Amino acid sequence: NAGVMQNPRHLVRRRGQEARLRCSPMKGHSHVYWYRQLPEEGLKFMVYLQKENIIDESGMPKERFSAEFPKEGPSILRIQQVVRGDSAAYFCASSPLGLAGGTTDNEQFFGPGTRLTVL
Amino acid sequence: AQSVSQHNHHVILSEAASLELGCNYSYGGTVNLFWYVQYPGQHLQLLLKYFSGDPLVKGIKGFEAEFIKSKFSFNLRKPSVQWSDTAEYFCAVARPGTYKYIFGTGTRLKVLA
Repeated sequence: NAGVMQNPRHLVRRRGQEARLRCSPMKGHSHVYWYRQLPEEGLKFMVYLQKENIIDESGMPKERFSAEFPKEGPSILRIQQVVRGDSAAYFCASSPLGLAGGTTDNEQFFGPGTRLTVL
Repeated sequence: AQSVSQHNHHVILSEAASLELGCNYSYGGTVNLFWYVQYPGQHLQLLLKYFSGDPLVKGIKGFEAEFIKSKFSFNLRKPSVQWSDTAEYFCAVARPGTYKYIFGTGTRLKVLA
């Protein structure tokens, strides 16, 4: 199954540590989206990236969070100096098309998520 | 702001019972609608989607959903559930051609054998 891969699946960090979450999109997909699901809430958009470009980071917290999608390798969501409120499930999705003009098909393919627990 | 409501957070059914999960959204324009399912330990998987056309959409594994524009609803149905349908179900909305999905809070379905 060459679906969206995320690792690790579970990550435990102490307050103040760094968390790195990885996402490998489906083969042939060059658009990656990160979502966060806080307890008892729906998934919320964080950031949209293409290879080497951040297209939209309007959903990212202003501090401590960053994302990248290098030319080679997976997309990385990085959280510095984690706090208990960062505990959540982080989902990655990919698509073959981004904001392609005129297309109405905007299906995204999701990974299994990374569950981050901050102690 | 756009929002999606899934009123049933936890549903418990016996096998062979019928299922209907509610999904309502608040957005006046054209929308694309999705239902995703997440089985324990697995990725979010698309069950079905609606972009246009017949408002009754057939999906995988015997699921269907009906888009009722006047009610801003996209309820998920299955006439007879199985134990293997135990999972979390998410409704999502996105404007056509955009990438920001708006998700509901999810419904955890447990089917008793």
